[in-house]
Amino acid sequence: QTVVTQEPSFSVSPGGTVTLTCGLSSGSVSTSYYPSWYQQTPGQAPRTLIYSTDTRSSGVPDRFSGSILGNKAALTIMGAQADDESDYYCVLYMGSGSLVFGGGTKLTVL
Amino acid sequence: QITLKESGPTLVKPTQTLTLTCTFSGFSLSTSGVGVGWIRQPPGKALECLALIYWDDDKHYSPSLKSRLTITKDTSKNQVVLTMTNMDPVDTATYYCALGDYRYYYMDVWGKGTTVIVSS
Repeated sequence: QTVVTQEPSFSVSPGGTVTLTCGLSSGSVSTSYYPSWYQQTPGQAPRTLIYSTDTRSSGVPDRFSGSILGNKAALTIMGAQADDESDYYCVLYMGSGSLVFGGGTKLTVL
Repeated sequence: QITLKESGPTLVKPTQTLTLTCTFSGFSLSTSGVGVGWIRQPPGKALECLALIYWDDDKHYSPSLKSRLTITKDTSKNQVVLTMTNMDPVDTATYYCALGDYRYYYMDVWGKGTTVIVSS
């Protein structure tokens, strides 16, 4: 079974820019996988940030953007703020209605 | 306004069957392109998609849990029910339901989640 891969952790300085990635254990991510991104703070439900590679969900600031970088999906956060410190999950569409989560990236802002 | 709320037992014993209900408002599960999914998160671990049901009654299950899961919908009641058989302590987790979009294959709106503990 194909595994969706993410960096386990990442850190960024306040005001800085960070790019998190989402790959496959075998193969390349393309727009056909409809990558989506979710933010989750401890004890809270996930919040949808990005869907269909690069479309921001309602109310998501434009500091958050999605793209395909090389063979991976990417989430870029510009002007990082303290409350961006969260876990970030990507999801890929694997066909036949199947959605698979990555293992998540714990982002630290310091 | 779209809302989803999970309900079910907080504590189940090993080998028992878990039944969770997602009650939603603000959308109809008979609308083309709409689905509801169940996702779980064990303490300190990643999210995992368990099952999805779509407006046309198409269903998808996690391959690793397929034999234990059943997802059904009651459009008239605005509810989706997930049953999971043969519960084990490793199934201890927060269980979320979420509105799914079958056009762009993502989870749009999430419920707050319900905690399930499996223990004798």
